[in-house]
Amino acid sequence: EPEVTQTPSHQVTQMGQEVILRCVPISNHLYFYWYRQILGQKVEFLVSFYNNEISEKSEIFDDQFSVERPDGSNFTLKIRSTKLEDSAMYFCASSVEGGSRTEAFFGQGTRLTVV
Amino acid sequence: GENVEQHPSTLSVQEGDSAVIKCTYSDSASNYFPWYKQELGKGPQLIIDIRSNVGEKKDQRIAVTLNKTAKHFSLHITETQPEDSAVYFCAAGAYNNNDMRFGAGTRLTVKP
Repeated sequence: EPEVTQTPSHQVTQMGQEVILRCVPISNHLYFYWYRQILGQKVEFLVSFYNNEISEKSEIFDDQFSVERPDGSNFTLKIRSTKLEDSAMYFCASSVEGGSRTEAFFGQGTRLTVV
Repeated sequence: GENVEQHPSTLSVQEGDSAVIKCTYSDSASNYFPWYKQELGKGPQLIIDIRSNVGEKKDQRIAVTLNKTAKHFSLHITETQPEDSAVYFCAAGAYNNNDMRFGAGTRLTVKP
């Protein structure tokens, strides 16, 4: 069964460093998403991406965040200068269509720890 | 924007009993309500969803009900099994909106 894969599973970084979280969405999907889940809290929408551009972003997705689809398979989330409060699980998701038209499939997540 | 509230935060039941988790939403434009199950160390997995033109939907031991007037929807799990133990999230979204909002989650424990 096709699945969304994320690497690495766990990333530890020093405060102020840049991190790149990687995702390989399901191959025939066109919409891509990043969500964040701080330990013990709800899953929060960060950004959606379609046709090589951001389609929507939340108030959390400020200038320190960026997303990119550098080639035909990868979808990345970059955090430019990490802060302690960026420590969370980051989930990538993808769907065939956007909005609520089709199911979004989630990856297993990357646990980011900022020290 | 949309705000989703979910209750209870924890729920413990005996194997074989039923479990009910409730969510409310604020944005009347929301028309898609999925439920996700998250097991330890894994990402959320869709288990059932309902759209605003349907009041109830059932899939084996899992059912979801929707009350658009009151803006609430519920997940019902019957004949619970230990493998149902997980964190369950409700969410609300709209047809033309990619910003899906999640509830805070319910940790369900099914005791054998």
